[in-house]
Amino acid sequence: AQSVTQLDSQVPVFEEAPVELRCNYSSSVSVYLFWYVQYPNQGLQLLLKYLSGSTLVKGINGFEAEFNKSQTSFHLRKPSVHISDTAEYFCAVLYNFNKFYFGSGTKLNVKP
Amino acid sequence: DADVTQTPRNRITKTGKRIMLECSQTKGHDRMYWYRQDPGLGLRLIYYSFDVKDINKGEISDGYSVSRQAQAKFSLSLESAIPNQTALYFCATSDPGLTAGELFFGEGSRLTVL
Repeated sequence: AQSVTQLDSQVPVFEEAPVELRCNYSSSVSVYLFWYVQYPNQGLQLLLKYLSGSTLVKGINGFEAEFNKSQTSFHLRKPSVHISDTAEYFCAVLYNFNKFYFGSGTKLNVKP
Repeated sequence: DADVTQTPRNRITKTGKRIMLECSQTKGHDRMYWYRQDPGLGLRLIYYSFDVKDINKGEISDGYSVSRQAQAKFSLSLESAIPNQTALYFCATSDPGLTAGELFFGEGSRLTVL
C-alpha cells in the first residue's frame, strides 16, 4: 500500500522565521504531488502542486516545495512566515491518476 | 457561492440514527469523493465516484453508503451512526483532464454522534 509521511505533527515557529514542513512518500513510480492548507474551520485549499518539469514549485502565499525523486520527498518551505500562515498543512500524493493518499498533517503555529 | 457545497455544516445526532450528508458541485467535474478527517490521521477516503454509474469503496467504507444522484450530487449516508463516526467529513471533486487531478474541497460537515 502507498503511504505519505509527514514527520512533524506540529511545528512552532516565530514570525518572520523560515520554516520547512517535511513530506515523504512511499512509491518511486510516477506521481503527482500536492500541498494543501486548511485554515481553522475551513476546507482544504491547494497551495501548490508538482506534475512534471522543474523540481522547484512555487505556490501561493510565498510557499515553495522541492520534488526530490531519489529521496521520495516533497518538502514545503517558506523563507519568512506570517501569523496568518498558522494553519494545518497536508501533503498529498496522486498515484496512477486516480487515487490520492494524504499525510497526517502538520500544524504550523506561528508565534509573534 | 461555493463551487462545492456541503449540507449540513454541523450535525449532532444519537447512536443508531440514520444520517445523510449531501454534496453538490457546480464545477462540472465527473469525479467526486467523500473523505473523513480525524485529528492526527489526515484525510481518509470513504467512497469515490468517477461518474454517475460508478461507485467505488475507499479505505474506510464500512458503516457508510453513498448515492450519486447526478453528476453534480453525491450523498454520504450513515445507516446507523455510532460514536466513532464522529468526525469532520469532506466532499471533493476533481477533473484529471482539466486540472491534473487536483481536488477541490467543500467546507466540511462536522458530525457528532452521541
